[in-house]
Amino acid sequence: AQSVTQLDSQVPVFEEAPVELRCNYSSSVSVYLFWYVQYPNQGLQLLLKYLSGSTLVKGINGFEAEFNKSQTSFHLRKPSVHISDTAEYFCAVSDFFNKFYFGSGTKLNVKP
Amino acid sequence: KAGVTQTPRYLIKTRGQQVTLSCSPISGHRSVSWYQQTPGQGLQFLFEYFSETQRNKGNFPGRFSGRQFSNSRSEMNVSTLELGDSALYLCASSQKAPGPGELFFGEGSRLTVL
Repeated sequence: AQSVTQLDSQVPVFEEAPVELRCNYSSSVSVYLFWYVQYPNQGLQLLLKYLSGSTLVKGINGFEAEFNKSQTSFHLRKPSVHISDTAEYFCAVSDFFNKFYFGSGTKLNVKP
Repeated sequence: KAGVTQTPRYLIKTRGQQVTLSCSPISGHRSVSWYQQTPGQGLQFLFEYFSETQRNKGNFPGRFSGRQFSNSRSEMNVSTLELGDSALYLCASSQKAPGPGELFFGEGSRLTVL
């Protein structure tokens, strides 16, 4: 079975500072990796995805993530955060049959 | 292109009642998945339907059931509601099957059980 670990439940950061949200997964087969963002009282919105190809993936709102197969990681980064980035972020892995496994989420709190 | 639509957005029920939630996927999407989200348990997979067939099922009791219609719209039902069923229920649709693809989520139905 696959699993996803988001090591930080909450990450406080000041506006314009860089941020990294960590995600590790466990799987013995090929996986597909995703980051979703959830704003209060809303559903999840896709930030970026890795299906194949380049291990550095760029997404919306200036976010990017790097797939590291040897370390089974897919950390999310942004060089300069904005107040509007305050939200909960979920890492997810899926298999070929589209079964998704989500991490427990990381709440990003951007302070002015 | 319209997104995933979930109804109702908010509802309040009492213990022992039953509830039906509805989800209309993005046009052309044939796969619909349901998730339960709670502060303590996070996002938990309920089940997935593809072409009216349940293809995957999570670890939930039989009180939780679902179905998909020929137009890909889906409903989930929870019978004999318990306080612990209070949660945000999220529906997601996907186009590709089999094969990897992203999930498109609705805004959710927030259920409160009193």
